[in-house]
Amino acid sequence: DAGVTQSPTHLIKTRGQQVTLRCSPKSGHDTVSWYQQALGQGPQFIFQYYEEEERQRGNFPDRFSGHQFPNYSSELNVNALLLGDSALYLCASSSTLSGGRYNEQFFGPGTRLTVL
Amino acid sequence: DQQVKQNSPSLSVQEGRISILNCDYTNSMFDYFLWYKKYPAEGPTFLISISSIKDKNEDGRFTVFLNKSAKHLSLHIVPSQPGDSAVYFCAAKGSVGYALNFGKGTSLLVTP
Repeated sequence: DAGVTQSPTHLIKTRGQQVTLRCSPKSGHDTVSWYQQALGQGPQFIFQYYEEEERQRGNFPDRFSGHQFPNYSSELNVNALLLGDSALYLCASSSTLSGGRYNEQFFGPGTRLTVL
Repeated sequence: DQQVKQNSPSLSVQEGRISILNCDYTNSMFDYFLWYKKYPAEGPTFLISISSIKDKNEDGRFTVFLNKSAKHLSLHIVPSQPGDSAVYFCAAKGSVGYALNFGKGTSLLVTP
């Protein structure tokens, strides 16, 4: 059973560019959350997608947007990249059928984004 | 503002001894707390959790204690093993919403 997968593993972009990161949830999961982990920090919640809608959003600017597809996979898009966007981007999936609000989030290995 | 705080960036413990990792939170609306373990080049892995209606939860070598009045929780690992060496994140979830709020993590090193 494949866990959460993310692509690409690493990415280098320059300021002002746009980037798309991808996530496939664990089999049977229907909810995807995205987190940003800067160096030396804990993961920070960006947003969560359920039923192809953004269900909750953290304190991130509109440059950060996402999408969830009918197969539950998800994309994170970041426009007008800034140096400060350099971080590890983590995707987490969960199932609304198990645990309700307390359902465990399973994390992928992340995408390391470097903005030059 | 950091609502979940792990004030010890690192901890070194000898194999077989107890490891105690601490976490403080400021938001009284948090009602569910989790510990995640992270190895390099891997995503965080769920370890153990506790609801605010409990003050202790055990799972094998791992025990989490919650002191609501002090807004403090701790993770005890007994006995510690070299394979426990990793970064441990404390996370909290509010009574409304789905976001996990993480601390900065504590790097645990268990030496033989």
